[in-house]
This record gives sequence, C-alpha cells and structure tokens, in this order.
Amino acid sequence: NAGVTQTPKFQVLKTGQSMTLQCAQDMNHNSMYWYRQDPGMGLRLIYYSASEGTTDKGEVPNGYNVSRLNKREFSLRLESAAPSQTSVYFCASSTPGRLWGVAFGSGTRLTVV
Amino acid sequence: RKEVEQDPGPFNVPEGATVAFNCTYSNSASQSFFWYRQDCRKEPKLLMSVYSSGNEDGRFTAQLNRASQYISLLIRDSKLSDSATYLCVSTDKLIFGTGTRLQVFP
Repeated sequence: NAGVTQTPKFQVLKTGQSMTLQCAQDMNHNSMYWYRQDPGMGLRLIYYSASEGTTDKGEVPNGYNVSRLNKREFSLRLESAAPSQTSVYFCASSTPGRLWGVAFGSGTRLTVV
Repeated sequence: RKEVEQDPGPFNVPEGATVAFNCTYSNSASQSFFWYRQDCRKEPKLLMSVYSSGNEDGRFTAQLNRASQYISLLIRDSKLSDSATYLCVSTDKLIFGTGTRLQVFP
C-alpha cells in the first residue's frame, strides 16, 4: 500500500518551460488536492478535486492547471513556469468526510531559474 | 484575514516542559479540525483530530473552543523528538495555518 505517490521528487525548470507534476493514490479516496509550501507561508491550496470529474480552485490557482484523470490520479501542470513558482509541492487525498484526515505525498521540490 | 491563523513561533522549550499552541479560525461554521506535524519540509503527518469534545492521545491534548474560535494543542513532558512544525487545518475547506515551530532543547 503506497498511499500517495508524487513524481518527480526534484525538478529544475527554466523560466517559460512547462511541466506536469504527477500524483496517484491507492487508498480509494474521492478527494485529491495540490498544495504549495513556501517559507513563512505555510501550505496553500492550489486546486482540489472533490470527486472524479470535478476540479475547483483553491487559494492560489493562478499559473496552474489540473486534471483529474481518474479516481486515482490528479496532475498539476505549469504551462509557463515562473521563478515565483519555485516551491515545494504536495499532493494529498482524503475520504469524503475527511474524518481520517488528509494523506500527503512526499513532495516535489521545484526550482524555476 | 486568513481563515486559519497560527503564531509562527518558534517556541523554544526545555525537555520535560509543557507547551501549548493556539490556532484561531474565522469561519464560525467550521465543525472540526486536525493538527498535523511536519518535520524539515517533509510531508505533514496527521497528529490528531479535534471535534467538539476535544481529544487526548498520550502526552497530546487538543481542544476546540467554539465561543472564542480557536483550537489548542497541549504537549506535556516535551521530548526532543517533538521538535517540529505543528499545523492546524480546518476540515471544511482544508485550509492550513502557517504552522507553529517547536524546538525542544536538552
């Protein structure tokens, strides 16, 4: 049981490049989330998907797009990376009632130069 | 104002001390919360949930004060291994606080 798996773990991009962060969960969770974490800012919600086929904006969606490919997978895409998107990105998933909390992936450290 | 706010700290306490953190929230309709622990930019891990009746797990006690709209985390008999950042999150929108850093020293 792998839980929440994110790839890649590290990435360096040049300004203007695009990339997709992949996330998959094997816990049969309905809801999935993408967060970014910056020093002093805590975890900020980028996008979330309450269930397969739906996505909604979080606190900081600008510059990102998401795809809920199926129940297991939720990807985050940066179309034109900017230095301000240098951050640690976490994917997470949860049960509908969230009674058992949110399970996180191990994170992707992204640097945009 | 952020929906969930925390004092960033750091809280520096000696081993064996009791320490408490608060987390304030702005949405009076929020029903429940979680406390998470995060080490050195690793992924956050669930510490405990907080509902109306509060929760206790060993040295850790979490409580919810609806009247004043805050939740608290009390750690008794602090261990060096408790050094981490503690995050609170409201379950309705999964908005996290910025975290409170705890450093326990020998």
